[in-house]
Amino acid sequence: ILNVEQSPQSLHVQEGDSTNFTCSFPSSNFYALHWYRWETAKSPEALFVMTLNGDEKKKGRISATLNTKEGYSYLYIKGSQPEDSATYLCAFDEDNYGQNFVFGPGTRLSVLP
Amino acid sequence: NAGVTQTPKFQVLKTGQSMTLQCAQDMNHEYMSWYRQDPGMGLRLIHYSVGAGITDQGEVPNGYNVSRSTTEDFPLRLLSAAPSQTSVYFCASTLGGRNTEAFFGQGTRLTVV
Repeated sequence: ILNVEQSPQSLHVQEGDSTNFTCSFPSSNFYALHWYRWETAKSPEALFVMTLNGDEKKKGRISATLNTKEGYSYLYIKGSQPEDSATYLCAFDEDNYGQNFVFGPGTRLSVLP
Repeated sequence: NAGVTQTPKFQVLKTGQSMTLQCAQDMNHEYMSWYRQDPGMGLRLIHYSVGAGITDQGEVPNGYNVSRSTTEDFPLRLLSAAPSQTSVYFCASTLGGRNTEAFFGQGTRLTVV
């Protein structure tokens, strides 16, 4: 069973702070790495799908980088807002058949006004 | 466009009872999956399907059955509910391919007493 780790487990920041989280995954058999944002009582929603080593993707104040050789991805949030409060999940996809994602446990972010 | 629809949202079962969680998608996605989410753990794959008539086991399949008679529907059956199956269940679908994201249903919170 593949191991996908995320750190930190939880994070409290003040509004306006910038923050980042880490997702670690196996560096072999890499196919894709996904980031999802999961608000309480809602379903996870995709932020990024990353496939190439060195990929950098950005959506508004949120960006992500990918290092497939060493097996990690960073998610950055610039100028955190209370609406950014959510659990951020990464998911490792090791094959191109069935898209069987292995999810990390998530990083729970709370942004205090 | 409804996306992925899961029913019911909440369910309480007695040990030994059976039930079916429904999942339907209207995006013509070939790939569908069921996950369970438990505190402190990432989403874990129960069963998945790569197309109508094709299903396979994920990481935690015991106690669950699935079938895929149409592209749209992917029900999950609990054969004889146990307290260990108390969890939040998510259905997801993807178009397939390296750069495609997963779309999730709203989740079913199941309690087995």
